[in-house]
Amino acid sequence: DTAVSQTPKYLVTQMGNDKSIKCEQNLGHDTMYWYKQDSKKFLKIMFSYNNKELIINETVPNRFSPKSPDKAHLNLHINSLELGDSAVYFCASSQGTGRYEQYFGPGTRLTVT
Amino acid sequence: GNSVTQMEGPVTLSEEAFLTINCTYTATGYPSLFWYVQYPGEGLQLLLKATKADDKGSNKGFEATYRKETTSFHLEKGSVQVSDSAVYFCALMGQGAQKLVFGQGTRLTINP
Repeated sequence: DTAVSQTPKYLVTQMGNDKSIKCEQNLGHDTMYWYKQDSKKFLKIMFSYNNKELIINETVPNRFSPKSPDKAHLNLHINSLELGDSAVYFCASSQGTGRYEQYFGPGTRLTVT
Repeated sequence: GNSVTQMEGPVTLSEEAFLTINCTYTATGYPSLFWYVQYPGEGLQLLLKATKADDKGSNKGFEATYRKETTSFHLEKGSVQVSDSAVYFCALMGQGAQKLVFGQGTRLTINP
């Protein structure tokens, strides 16, 4: 049973398109996150939701819009894709905010051409 | 703000060699410290953690000790295996904070 799953695993699209990445966790966790990993493997948090409420929004362009329909799901919609959006996007979840272990999904590799 | 600095990679070792990956941090108060591992094509997994000064985290033969006096959390393993080849990330969660701050990652390759 996959604890944190993401779809799709790979996404290749052209500049200007709009795309979504979906994330689901079956751990019963209250908090979910989106991270971006660039080509040099550097990881940076983008968003965090706790009980469907946005609690972290890290200077991310407003072309990126997270949506949490319920505590088990956190989706990421990206408008007007740019070349610089190419990266691996990881979803993660934790029992709560603060010093809890974060469980990561397998990642979605987004390539914008 | 909080930050984490890891030793530059990549690191290449022979099987059964001793491993050290250095990690130092900058943070106010008493952060929690973590090591995550990313195997090829996979997401990150928590390897070990320490939540207060002088705590030692350990898992799968890896160890790291929270040293507040040197603001360090170096990862060590006495005898590495080919299966340890991965990217290792040091991270911290600041006191009262809600997000992990990661180091730049260190790619480790173990040759048979």
